[in-house]
This record gives sequence, structure tokens and C-alpha cells, in this order.
Amino acid sequence: GAGVSQSPSNKVTEKGKDVELRCDPISGHTALYWYRQSLGQGLEFLIYFQGNSAPDKSGLPSDRFSAERTGGSVSTLTIQRTQQEDSAVYLCASSPHFGELFFGEGSRLTVL
Amino acid sequence: AQKVTQAQTEISVVEKEDVTLDCVYETRDTTYYLFWYKQPPSGELVFLIRRNSFDEQNEISGRYSWNFQKSTSSFNFTITASQVVDSAVYFCALSESRGGADGLTFGKGTHLIIQP
Repeated sequence: GAGVSQSPSNKVTEKGKDVELRCDPISGHTALYWYRQSLGQGLEFLIYFQGNSAPDKSGLPSDRFSAERTGGSVSTLTIQRTQQEDSAVYLCASSPHFGELFFGEGSRLTVL
Repeated sequence: AQKVTQAQTEISVVEKEDVTLDCVYETRDTTYYLFWYKQPPSGELVFLIRRNSFDEQNEISGRYSWNFQKSTSSFNFTITASQVVDSAVYFCALSESRGGADGLTFGKGTHLIIQP
């Protein structure tokens, strides 16, 4: 499809397990963003990629979170040793230019 | 630090009524950008508008209009003659960075319910 694609759409895991979330941005979009949307909360910025590099990783909530992007395209967000407070919808967005972010449908993570 | 406040958690109106969604922001920068996004029940966020801090001209797009007032640090969004399809969560957002390196700071959203 032409939009931002995220997988899995739903993930249920046990506390302590690692999870990997994938984002396939719109072709040609150089900027890629990860956000987290928790129940009753707004959107929390996690990390931003320009090409393959992430100038600012300070939005990641803890050192259990990491993200990478390869080939200026697909990005993966990895959460190690998941905790219940990690339960949220993780949204990926890409952008051809500043401000007009195109969002995927998100990956809903539930940590039991 | 930048902050966005959407004081209205939920608004419910009857179809064809006009409705205004409030957004108040805080920033120390003189150069910044303001945005509105729509999140329909499907969950996918849809970009609506971007304004820079030097352009206070109000904008109208069909039934949508935006009122940017630097004096009150507000960027309100009005839907005229609302329709059921307008039902969604609407997010206001702010960025101080031209390059997007800091991402967007979002408000907590206003859930708009349009009743038939």
C-alpha cells in the first residue's frame, strides 16, 4: 500500500519478554518518527530518524527501549524486558518534509 | 520546555452545530510551528494543518477554520455545520524545531462526538 505500514497490529506478551515493532514508511520519506499513545494520555514523542541517524534519543523512556533504521527505510523499535507500563499503542510516522507527518495505524502492545 | 494544553477532554454536539476546539501552547522560542491532527475511530492520525509563528493569518478550509492568536498563545480550531463524520479525537501539536529533531509535542486531545 501507499501508506505507513506497521506490524504487528496487535501484540500480547508476558512481562519480561522482548518485543520488536516494525515500521515501513512511505517510500521516499526521509524522516521517520516513533510515538507512544497510552490510554488517556496524549502522544508521547520517542525518537526521530533523519535518514538512518537519530539525532535525539532522549525521548526514549528507558534504556530498555532502542530503535534503529536501516537503508533509510524500515525501522524497528525494540523493547527489552517488557513491563506492564509499556502497554500502549506505538505509532510510527514518516514525513517528506517538516510537519506533515503521515501516521501508520499503530501497534497495540499489551504486557500481561 | 514546550507544552500544549487542550482543556476540553470531550465535546458532544448535535449535527450541524458549530464547534470550537481550544488549544493553548507554551514555548520560549520565537520561531515555532503549530499543528492540528485528526484521529478517527480507525486510529490513523491525519494531518490537518501546519502554521508557523510568523503567520497569524486565520485560515479557512471548507468547513474548517483555524484562529491563531499569539497574544493569547492559542490556536483554536472551529468546525462549522458539523457532521457525524467529524467525530474523532483531535490533537493540537507544537514544535520548536525547524528540522523536526525534537518531534512534535502533542496535547492530550479532544474527543469530539457529533450526534445525528
